[in-house]
Formats: sequence, C-alpha cells, structure tokens
Amino acid sequence: AQSVTQLGSHVSVSEGALVLLRCNYSSSVPPYLFWYVQYPNQGLQLLLKYTTGATLVKGINGFEAEFKKSETSFHLTKPSAHMSDAAEYFCAVSTMNRDDKIIFGKGTRLHILP
Amino acid sequence: SQTIHQWPATLVQPVGSPLSLECTVEGTSNPNLYWYRQAAGRGLQLLFYSVGIGQISSEVPQNLSASRPQDRQFILSSKKLLLSDSGFYLCAWSRGAVSGNTIYFGEGSWLTVV
Repeated sequence: AQSVTQLGSHVSVSEGALVLLRCNYSSSVPPYLFWYVQYPNQGLQLLLKYTTGATLVKGINGFEAEFKKSETSFHLTKPSAHMSDAAEYFCAVSTMNRDDKIIFGKGTRLHILP
Repeated sequence: SQTIHQWPATLVQPVGSPLSLECTVEGTSNPNLYWYRQAAGRGLQLLFYSVGIGQISSEVPQNLSASRPQDRQFILSSKKLLLSDSGFYLCAWSRGAVSGNTIYFGEGSWLTVV
C-alpha cells in the first residue's frame, strides 16, 4: 500500500522568495507521484506528475518537483513566489498496478506575504 | 479534450432532506469515476469510486450512496442528510492505471446542511 506525508499544514513565504513544499511517500513498488493545486472554492488542478524517466519534472506556473528515490521524496519548488501562488497544495502517490488508487496527502496551505 | 462538470455548485439543505449531486464527463469513454469529500482542515476523503456502469465501491460506510446509470454519469445521493454531511464534494475521473491513475477533478459542490 502507498502513503504520502506532507510536512507542514501551513507554509508562509515572502513574495519573490523560494517556495519549498515537502512531500515524502511510501510505496512498495515504483511510484507515480503528483502535485495538485487548489484555489479557494475550486476543484483540484494537476500541477505536475512523475511517472518514469527524468526525475526533475516541470509543471505549470513555474513549479517543479524532483523525484528522489533514496530519500523517498517529491518536494515541490518554485524559485520566486508570486501572490497568485497562494493556494492549497496536495501531494499524491499512485502506481501502475490496476487495483491501486491515487492516495492524497493532507495538503499544505501556502501563504504569500507581501 | 476531456471535460468534467458537476452540479449544483452550491446547495443549502435542511437536516433530513434528500440529496442529489450529479457529475458528467465528456470526451472520453469508460472512465473511472470518483466522489471525494473535503471537510474543513481534513484533506480529501474518497467516498465512492466506479470502474464501470453499475459498479460502485464504497470506501467509507455512511448514509450516502452513489450510482452510475450511464458510462459518463456519476450521481451522489442521500435519502436523509445529516449535519455532518456538510462539506465540499468533488467529482473526479481517470483513465485508471494506464495513465498512472492521474485524476482530473470537477469544480466542486458546496453542501451546507442546516
């Protein structure tokens, strides 16, 4: 079975500063990893995903994440925060196995300070 | 391209009244379909998922039910709402394991039980 842990339910960064949202996963087979973003009163939107191949994945809005198997991590980063990045971010894990479902973390709310 | 729509967007219902939330997916066939609930500060809770017409799996025992009368239609229902049923309900779809179980979400429906 898979699981995912997001460190920090709230993260605050200053506008223009580096954004780092942490995600660690557990999986007995090679994982597929995802980041989703949720703006207030909206559904979740896929930000980026890792399945196979290059471990550094680029997503929308300047975000990227790096799959580190040795650390079982998939942290989300953005070099320079913008006010519009304020939202809740969810890390998720799945596998290619037919009966496995996608498992979500509890979410991290990102606050951008002016 | 594929789209997913759910309605109504907001709903205020008295305790003990029935519920019907509808979701449809366009642009794909035989999708996996999901209902999630998001209560304040509690992350995403998978309620039901379906891999085909008439095939419903329940993740959490409760007074809610789901039905899939057509390939791309998923309905969440209740005969008698409880206060604890309040929350943000999200419908979602995926192509299953062939896409790493990548999930795409609808806009969400706010349910307030009073």
